[in-house]
Amino acid sequence: EVQLVESGGGLVQPGGSLRLSCAASGFTFSSYEMNWVRQAPGKGLEWVSYISSSGSTIYYADSVKGRFTISRDNAKNSLYLQMNSLRAEDTAVYYCARVDAINLVPTDYWGQGTLVTVSS
Amino acid sequence: QPVLTQSSSASASLGSSVKLTCTLSSGHSSYIIAWHQQQPGKAPRYLMKLEGSGSYNKGSGVPDRFSGSSSGADRYLTISNLQSEDEADYYCETWDSNTWVFGGGTKLTVL
Repeated sequence: EVQLVESGGGLVQPGGSLRLSCAASGFTFSSYEMNWVRQAPGKGLEWVSYISSSGSTIYYADSVKGRFTISRDNAKNSLYLQMNSLRAEDTAVYYCARVDAINLVPTDYWGQGTLVTVSS
Repeated sequence: QPVLTQSSSASASLGSSVKLTCTLSSGHSSYIIAWHQQQPGKAPRYLMKLEGSGSYNKGSGVPDRFSGSSSGADRYLTISNLQSEDEADYYCETWDSNTWVFGGGTKLTVL
């Protein structure tokens, strides 16, 4: 069974930093591309960042470019999101999401999410 | 990059059918999309992949009541025999070379 379990969320002050983790199991993590997607309270889904299976290709949404860094450790079956210079508008539930590139599915599994609150 | 447009809300009666629409922006009418369901307070759940031809592939455990179809730039999600647990937000999603895009979501109310 595919499982994606996020952790690392919490309350942080504006300008602060936070590192999110996503532990993957039930599939060969190193073979899959991954995304981070977020959802502000009461709002829709917003793509944040993408990383290829090897980690060699990375993309960011304009809203987080220069502040967030995505990475992965295939040996540990883990995905990460380093978030710096956090703003109030970064407050959201952050989901890790699996991409099924072979079958052309943009997202085929979601984690349960971790809440990040940016507030003084 | 593609833009996905969804109606903000829809409603239908218990036991009836409803068809939700996701429209791709001009120049992107051939794109594959995915439909996701998000029940209140829960994470999204992948429902299906839907191609421009109307061919669709559902995720694991998705009931037969859920089906997909396409017409031009429109991608449809049809839910038959509506159940109370179908009351949820439904999002469509697609991607381009270096970006992933979501529609604004449709809030489905089961009357």
